[in-house]
Amino acid sequence: DIQLTQSPSSLSASVGDRVIITCRASQTIDNYLNWYQQKPGKVPKLLIYAASSLQSGVPSRFSGSGSGTDFTLTISSLQPEDFATYYCQQTFRTMTFGQGTRLEIK
Amino acid sequence: QVQLVESGGGLVKPGGSLRLSCVASGFSFSDYYMTWIRQAPGKGLEYVSYISGESTNTNFADSVKGRFTISRDNAENSVYLQLNSLRSDDTAVYYCARMVHMNCWYIDFWGQGTVVTVSS
Repeated sequence: DIQLTQSPSSLSASVGDRVIITCRASQTIDNYLNWYQQKPGKVPKLLIYAASSLQSGVPSRFSGSGSGTDFTLTISSLQPEDFATYYCQQTFRTMTFGQGTRLEIK
Repeated sequence: QVQLVESGGGLVKPGGSLRLSCVASGFSFSDYYMTWIRQAPGKGLEYVSYISGESTNTNFADSVKGRFTISRDNAENSVYLQLNSLRSDDTAVYYCARMVHMNCWYIDFWGQGTVVTVSS
């Protein structure tokens, strides 16, 4: 099985900050890497697919990059509605999720 | 608009069974792979199973292999997850979701989830 390790597991930041979350795969997954945002009590929402493609309707302050085993999700300027948990997901071989990164208000 | 509505969750004793259903609307159901994802209380997302549009391809996570089965009825726009030999660690919200392939497989729509609680 392909394992995904996100870092950090939790993060405190302020509105306006630039935030970077990383996701490392245990083996190469090309660009088969997606990012989701989940708020408490809500359904996950797709942000980025294929490592760097922005899902329709998602604000442009979200961006993704990477290929192979190392990937990043960047939020260029945090907004109040961005405080949530973020998950990476690989679909290169079946499907696995990272453990999540909880983004909290500082 | 795309809608996915799950049902069938509930409280069941260890070793028991449940059948989850997901009714889809707003898209050509048979054209899409469908998947079940679960989330234990306070935990992260865990892949459970997927099924192809014509049911020719199915897959299961190791944690449920041999205990869960997946099926679909395209005439009814429905996908099902049969949960057998349930254990306490199967307690979770079970989400039905639609898979899409555009350069990569990903999930673009999720249902609201149905809660499965396994407890004596």
